[in-house]
Amino acid sequence: AQSVTQPDIHITVSEGASLELRCNYSYGATPYLFWYVQSPGQGLQLLLKYFSGDTLVQGIKGFEAEFKRSQSSFNLRKPSVHWSDAAEYFCAVDPTGGGNKLTFGTGTQLKVEL
Amino acid sequence: NAGVTQTPKFQVLKTGQSMTLQCAQDMNHNSMYWYRQDPGMGLRLIYYSASEGTTDKGEVPNGYNVSRLNKREFSLRLESAAPSQTSVYFCASSEGSGTAVTGAFFGQGTRLTVV
Repeated sequence: AQSVTQPDIHITVSEGASLELRCNYSYGATPYLFWYVQSPGQGLQLLLKYFSGDTLVQGIKGFEAEFKRSQSSFNLRKPSVHWSDAAEYFCAVDPTGGGNKLTFGTGTQLKVEL
Repeated sequence: NAGVTQTPKFQVLKTGQSMTLQCAQDMNHNSMYWYRQDPGMGLRLIYYSASEGTTDKGEVPNGYNVSRLNKREFSLRLESAAPSQTSVYFCASSEGSGTAVTGAFFGQGTRLTVV
């Protein structure tokens, strides 16, 4: 079945440490890939997206993600985490390419220790 | 910029009551969506509208109806609310296809409790 998996429900990192959040998808072809962030009580904000081309994409707030076709993964990274990055992060895919039907992972809750 | 505006922000309903969640976007996007968010389940698509005048079911449409009133507005109606519909509801909009896809822009959400 087609799916999006975020294997880590909770992650805790120290401020200033590096971060990697995992996302794996199960689709026949390369879907359109997105990462979103949700702060408490807020809607979701788009961090970055990948459609094709360079497999390392840069987003807002210093985040980047790397698409690896061989691993069906689209992991989110940040070299140095700030306390304000504490939030929930969602990976999403659109297999149709039309931007109409996003399927979301279950999210990873990030806690940042000062 | 207002972006995507949802009303109300909070609502408590009794089982069997009906209500309509309103959503409006000012980005001139063609596509609009309704999602529900439940703990541990991410966001699930209820209905979407690819363009004015069209609507389609998503993953969890049962118990809901939608209306794409015009290009700006997309409402979600619960005809007879059930406790299982207790959730946070998000409206979103997007534009483009292929490499022009913007990604979805989300409203702030409506927290609905059905008692």
